[in-house]
Amino acid sequence: EDQVTQSPEALRLQEGESSSLNCSYTVSGLRGLFWYRQDPGKGPEFLFTLYSAGEEKEKERLKATLTKKESFLHITAPKPEDSATYLCAVQGGSEKLVFGKGTKLTVNP
Amino acid sequence: ETGVTQTPRHLVMGMTNKKSLKCEQHLGHNAMYWYKQSAKKPLELMFVYSLEERVENNSVPSRFSPECPNSSHLFLHLHTLQPEDSALYLCASSQDRAGSGNTIYFGEGSWLTVV
Repeated sequence: EDQVTQSPEALRLQEGESSSLNCSYTVSGLRGLFWYRQDPGKGPEFLFTLYSAGEEKEKERLKATLTKKESFLHITAPKPEDSATYLCAVQGGSEKLVFGKGTKLTVNP
Repeated sequence: ETGVTQTPRHLVMGMTNKKSLKCEQHLGHNAMYWYKQSAKKPLELMFVYSLEERVENNSVPSRFSPECPNSSHLFLHLHTLQPEDSALYLCASSQDRAGSGNTIYFGEGSWLTVV
């Protein structure tokens, strides 16, 4: 059974304090690993898709990386507007998209 | 604007009511989904439609009844719900079924409260 574990559950940073969020996964035949951002009361907003180990993608202050067992979402010099819950999901041979519980990020000014 | 529009955004209903959630996607996608998001739980897949045909039903109680009249519209009909059904219901779409790493795009969700 495909599984996704995100850590930490919650993370508080000061503005400008860089850090990383972790997504550990077990999947049979990875077809894609997805990162989403979700603001309170809203639907998840797509950020990145990673398909194979070693792949990296960047968008503004965010950078996602992928290994065979985990993915990291690196946040460089975060700003208060980066505060949100970040969701990780994997899609394997079963074709189902399996989500983690998310990491709630708070960036204080 | 994600290209997936859900209405209503908020709904309060009694346990004996019948209501419907509506979803429309403007992305030209062929697959549509209903997900349920409860507090402190991962997103749960409820239904998958591909080219208007239901291809997956994740053991969802019959009090939830989906309808997909065409590839752009998806409904979730609700009747005799329970308070534990209160949650955020998310509609989503992808180019094709999420089988080859296709990205799924979500709507803003419909907050449902059952009283």
